[in-house]
Order: sequence, then structure tokens, then C-alpha cells
Amino acid sequence: QKEVEQNSGPLSVPEGAIASLNCTYSDRGSQSFFWYRQYSGKSPELIMFIYSNGDKEDGRFTAQLNKASQYVSLLIRDSQPSDSATYLCAPSKPGNTGKLIFGQGTTLQVKP
Amino acid sequence: DGGITQSPKYLFRKEGQNVTLSCEQNLNHDAMYWYRQDPGQGLRLIYYSQIVNDFQKGDIAEGYSVSREKKESFPLTVTSAQKNPTAFYLCASSIEGEQSPLHFGNGTRLTVT
Repeated sequence: QKEVEQNSGPLSVPEGAIASLNCTYSDRGSQSFFWYRQYSGKSPELIMFIYSNGDKEDGRFTAQLNKASQYVSLLIRDSQPSDSATYLCAPSKPGNTGKLIFGQGTTLQVKP
Repeated sequence: DGGITQSPKYLFRKEGQNVTLSCEQNLNHDAMYWYRQDPGQGLRLIYYSQIVNDFQKGDIAEGYSVSREKKESFPLTVTSAQKNPTAFYLCASSIEGEQSPLHFGNGTRLTVT
């Protein structure tokens, strides 16, 4: 079992729809979770961080965390073509600063 | 503006040659990292350094070497021992702490033929 699993996609949604990106992780010691967005040929950029069970909202983005189920997701409301990118999930453990284990990423395509 | 600078953006080398990728940061971060990304894959950790003059191997350190002589600089050498060096290389930095995000440079795309 991979430490971090994401469906590679592509996930295709129409403009204006809600995109739901999922991530499961195997290490129960993971306490914090990062979501990065990576455009083709570019470096990853941080879009969300969550460490408490439940939902965290930031603009059109909502991160959802369920530590009991070892599951974290990212919802993008009112999807725009500019959201088309690969989204990487990365859990973090205490004492492992920066040594993130990244999922392979889910490629999102938002069709106009 | 503070940030991480990687150079060059594209690098071409012949098989059997060592090559050094540059990474400089002015964010005053203690920790620096090198990740490798292959097409359709996530990032894999090569080396990391949490303090000057100290560094540790990541998951795929074989065929790579690093140095950390200055807080601002963390160069990566891809040696001829690395069997599949063609990849996208990303340098990152962070402050200490589990909840500290990585800040990435723009990456260097290395092609070895």
C-alpha cells in the first residue's frame, strides 16, 4: 500500500461545477495535511493546509479531514478553467518538518 | 522579494558527466530540500538539510550528493552513478515545525542523453 494515494485522473468537470479531489494516507502519525497545486511544467504552490478534523474553507477551496478514516479531500467550488492543474496531497508528521511524502497527484481538467 | 532561485531552468548533459544544480534562498529558512519529479509522479525526496554543514539522505539519495556550506545555498550534484537522471528537480525550503509549508523554487529540468 502506498503511503499516500490519490486517483491520478484526469478528473474532468464543467466550468462552474464542484470538483472533489480525494487523498488517503496510511500513516496514522500524520497530523497535518498540505494541498499543493501544480500547473504543467511549473513548481507546486501551497493552496490549503489543514490539521483539525472537519472542514476548513478558504475562498472557493474547502479542505476536509477525517483522521479516523485517514482521508483528506479538497473541494473546489465554481471551478474555473484556470483551476486546471495537478493537485498534490502531502501529509506531515511531528518531527518530520519538510520531509513530506507526496501523493502522485490528481489532474483536474475544467472544461469551459 | 524573498524566494528561492534555482538555476538553470533547463540543463542538458551527456551521459557519464556530473552536473550541479544551484539552489539559493533569501527567506532565512534553516531547512532546505531537494525533490525529484518524474512525469505523472509525485515528488520524491533526495536530500535535506536542517542546518548548515549538516544534511541527511532522503528516499532516493543514491547517485546524488549535496553540500550546505551556507544557510542560503544547497547545491545538488547529479553524478554519473545516477542511473536515470533525466527529471524535474525541485528545491524547497521551510522554517522548523510540522505545520510549516514548503516553499519551492521554479525547478530545473535536467535532460541527460
